[in-house]
Amino acid sequence: DVKVTQSSRYLVKRTGEKVFLECVQDMDHENMFWYRQDPGLGLRLIYFSYDVKMKEKGDIPEGYSVSREKKERFSLILESASTNQTSMYLCASSTPTRLSGNTIYFGEGSWLTVV
Amino acid sequence: QKEVEQNSGPLSVPEGAIASLNCTYSDRVSQSFFWYRQYSGKSPELIMSIYSNGDKEDGRFTAQLNKASQYVSLLIRDSQPSDSATYLCAVNQGGSEKLVFGKGMKLTVNP
Repeated sequence: DVKVTQSSRYLVKRTGEKVFLECVQDMDHENMFWYRQDPGLGLRLIYFSYDVKMKEKGDIPEGYSVSREKKERFSLILESASTNQTSMYLCASSTPTRLSGNTIYFGEGSWLTVV
Repeated sequence: QKEVEQNSGPLSVPEGAIASLNCTYSDRVSQSFFWYRQYSGKSPELIMSIYSNGDKEDGRFTAQLNKASQYVSLLIRDSQPSDSATYLCAVNQGGSEKLVFGKGMKLTVNP
């Protein structure tokens, strides 16, 4: 089974703090994603990485950055957390479309509250 | 902006009934289509994928794809209370590895 692990499940941070959300996948997937999910807004893509050290902005990258130094690990960084970044964050991974039709597998989610 | 639209919910059906969930998409070159189920407080889990026009059946679930109409649906036969969840439709952006998700439809199956 595909395993996508988000190390921090529940976090409470103060406004202005730097926040790291870590994600590890064990299936040697090339693609990794960070989404946030908010009521009424659905799943929105923050950043996408298709290879080590490669990244692409999603729909809502403002206020976020990412790091992918190793294939299995994809980190989301909030440089200066703000209250409007309170949300559930979902990491996901997939293999390229040509191999498997791009099925995306999600981690369990990280609930971040910024106070 | 490529869009994926799902019927506004919520949908409520009695136990044993057929639940029908619908989704339309705007990107004509999309090739991969997915249905995810998400229980409250949990992350989405894949239940069906479909790539070709027609029907694909897996147990009580049937996905239907019509690329000409840009329409994909999910039928759940013999609905059970455990099927109560939010169902998300997802479509790949043509030429991209990214998926675009609908906002989801909440299904409640009443015992």
